[in-house]
Amino acid sequence: DIQMTQSPSTLSASVGERVTITCRASQSIYKWLAWFQQKPGKAPKLLIYEVSKLGAGVPSRFSGSGSGPEFTLTISCLQPDDFAIYYCQSYDDNSLYTFGQGTRLQIK
Amino acid sequence: QVQLVQSGAEVKKPGASVRVSCKASGYTFTENAMHWVRQASGQRFEWLGWIFTDSGVTKYSQKFQGRVTITRDTSATTAYMELHSLTSEDTAAYYCARGFQGTFDLWGQGSLVTVSS
Repeated sequence: DIQMTQSPSTLSASVGERVTITCRASQSIYKWLAWFQQKPGKAPKLLIYEVSKLGAGVPSRFSGSGSGPEFTLTISCLQPDDFAIYYCQSYDDNSLYTFGQGTRLQIK
Repeated sequence: QVQLVQSGAEVKKPGASVRVSCKASGYTFTENAMHWVRQASGQRFEWLGWIFTDSGVTKYSQKFQGRVTITRDTSATTAYMELHSLTSEDTAAYYCARGFQGTFDLWGQGSLVTVSS
C-alpha cells in the first residue's frame, strides 16, 4: 500500500506569512494528489485536487505543486481563518485512497 | 443546497454492528460515487470503501473487506455504511464523501460511533 508522509507535523506562523507543507508518496501517484483543510469538529474541506487545481470557492492564496514523489501546498499570505489542520490524500492504481498524517498550522 | 446529511451518533457494544446513513440532496445522486472515510481521535483518515451509486458496484479497502457493507437506495438518494463485529478500535467519526477526480469534493457532517462495553 502507498504511504503518504507529511512534513512538518506542526507549523507555527504569523498572519501574512507564506507557508509550505510537504507530502511525500512512497509510490507513483501520477496527478492524483489532493489537499484538505480541517477545523475542529468539522468535516474536511477540499482545497486542491489533481496536484494544482483549486477547489470550488477556495481563495487563490492556496496553491499546490509538485510531481512524484514530493508535493507541496503553499499558502501565500496567511489569514486568521487559515489556522487549521491540513491533510494530503492520494489515489493509486489499485483504486485505493490514502491520507497523510496531517500538519497542524498554529499561530506563532 | 448541495449537501450530505448523515445520521446521528451511535453507541454500540463490542461485537455489535452499526449502520450509518448519508442523505444526498441538491445534485443528481447517481452521477458520483459515494465513499466512506473514518477518523479516530488524533489519527489520520482511513478510507473504508465506495459504491457506484448508479450500478451499486462496491469496492472495499482490504483492511475492512468482509466487515463493511456499503449500499444505496437511489429512490431515497441515500447511501449506507454498515460495519460489523465492532471493537473499541472502531470508535471514530465516520464520514460519507462524494467522489470527484480521485478525491472527495463534498463531505457529510460526520457520525460519531462509540464502541464501549
